[in-house]
Amino acid sequence: KAGVTQTPRYLIKTRGQQVTLSCSPISGHRSVSWYQQTPGQGLQFLFEYFSETQRNKGNFPGRFSGRQFSNSRSEMNVSTLELGDSALYLCASSPQPTGKETQYFGPGTRLLVL
Amino acid sequence: GENVEQHPSTLSVQEGDSAVIKCTYSDSASNYFPWYKQELGKRPQLIIDIRSNVGEKKDQRIAVTLNKTAKHFSLHITETQPEDSAVYFCAANSDAGNMLTFGGGTRLMVKP
Repeated sequence: KAGVTQTPRYLIKTRGQQVTLSCSPISGHRSVSWYQQTPGQGLQFLFEYFSETQRNKGNFPGRFSGRQFSNSRSEMNVSTLELGDSALYLCASSPQPTGKETQYFGPGTRLLVL
Repeated sequence: GENVEQHPSTLSVQEGDSAVIKCTYSDSASNYFPWYKQELGKRPQLIIDIRSNVGEKKDQRIAVTLNKTAKHFSLHITETQPEDSAVYFCAANSDAGNMLTFGGGTRLMVKP
């Protein structure tokens, strides 16, 4: 099976703009989770979607939102970008909801906000 | 919510030595504990996981031990090699298994 894919891989934006990131899970996986990774901050959980429903949300402002489509592909949107949003954004998929089975990570989207 | 603490944050060992990374968790109901390895510029990849019905699991040079009473689990790497150099993350599920919380990561450096 093909692995988790994310597009785009690299992105440069300016403050105030918005951005949409995409994640295609492994075929048959219904759970998609999003994480923000910054140097020294580890993996910060953003949110998880399972069968098109948001199951959990991390401690991030409302500028961060997401959705999941019927084919399990997921998008993450960040509005009114701030310099501090520069990070690697990883998505991970699993067959069942997070915490019950292995998560498989995508390669990430590296976002730079200028 | 769950809190997962990971120590040490950095670890430097000589090639051939053993490395141990420890994690503690707060939710006594946690029952799934995966470990991920992230090489520089690459995605995190699962290297081993353990469920609460066993106390130890091995896979070649890698082993994980779990102490449910003390709420801590550890990753053991024996006969370390330069290619083991990476950031390692532990994780534990919580909220009745509905969430996965990651530790802060350990940067392991294996010196040849």
